Amino acid sequence: GDSVTQTEGPVTVSESESLIINCTYSATSIAYPNLFWYVRYPGEGLQLLLKVITAGQKGSSRGFEATYNKETTSFHLQKASVQESDSAVYYCALGTPYQGGRALIFGTGTTVSVSP
Amino acid sequence: NAGVIQTPRHKVTGKGQEATLWCEPISGHSAVFWYRQTIVQGLEFLTYFRNQAPIDDSGMPKERFSAQMPNQSHSTLKIQSTQPQDSAVYLCASSLENSDYTFGSGTRLLVI
Repeated sequence: GDSVTQTEGPVTVSESESLIINCTYSATSIAYPNLFWYVRYPGEGLQLLLKVITAGQKGSSRGFEATYNKETTSFHLQKASVQESDSAVYYCALGTPYQGGRALIFGTGTTVSVSP
Repeated sequence: NAGVIQTPRHKVTGKGQEATLWCEPISGHSAVFWYRQTIVQGLEFLTYFRNQAPIDDSGMPKERFSAQMPNQSHSTLKIQSTQPQDSAVYLCASSLENSDYTFGSGTRLLVI
């Protein structure tokens, strides 16, 4: 079936350190899946961080990057130097590229805590 | 643009009671989605509507859960005979297409 697996949390990193959250997907019923990272900051709603709809492309936002790798079915989220404000829950998600398709499939979420 | 509005923000019900959760999507968005968020399961898909029509309810527990979208301005999720395991944050999202969701702040349901 279609599914998303991501790094189990919680993950704790120190400010200015690098962060990587692994995400792999299985898209058996979706020929050309779209891939997303959503984030929920403390006290806020879930919001889109970045998305990539074409294999081989990289998405970036707020210093985060993720590359859509079709060969390894991965979409890892990385940031070279995190800040305390990056403390949040991060969700990797898989979607269909066409209207009327399936709703987004989310991973279980990774809680990241950045210590000063 | 007030975003996706979910009410109530918090709801406490006794075991066996009914709970109705409301969602007002962003005006003009054609799709409305319901998800359930728990620590153990993460973000679970429940159901979604497109142009008010139910498209996929494969995530809905077959008993006790039902969802409706009687008009384009709101959707409801009803849980009958609530159980403690129904305790979760219920999230509603809307979108113009099947991507770029805008989520509401959620309804935190506690069944005691």
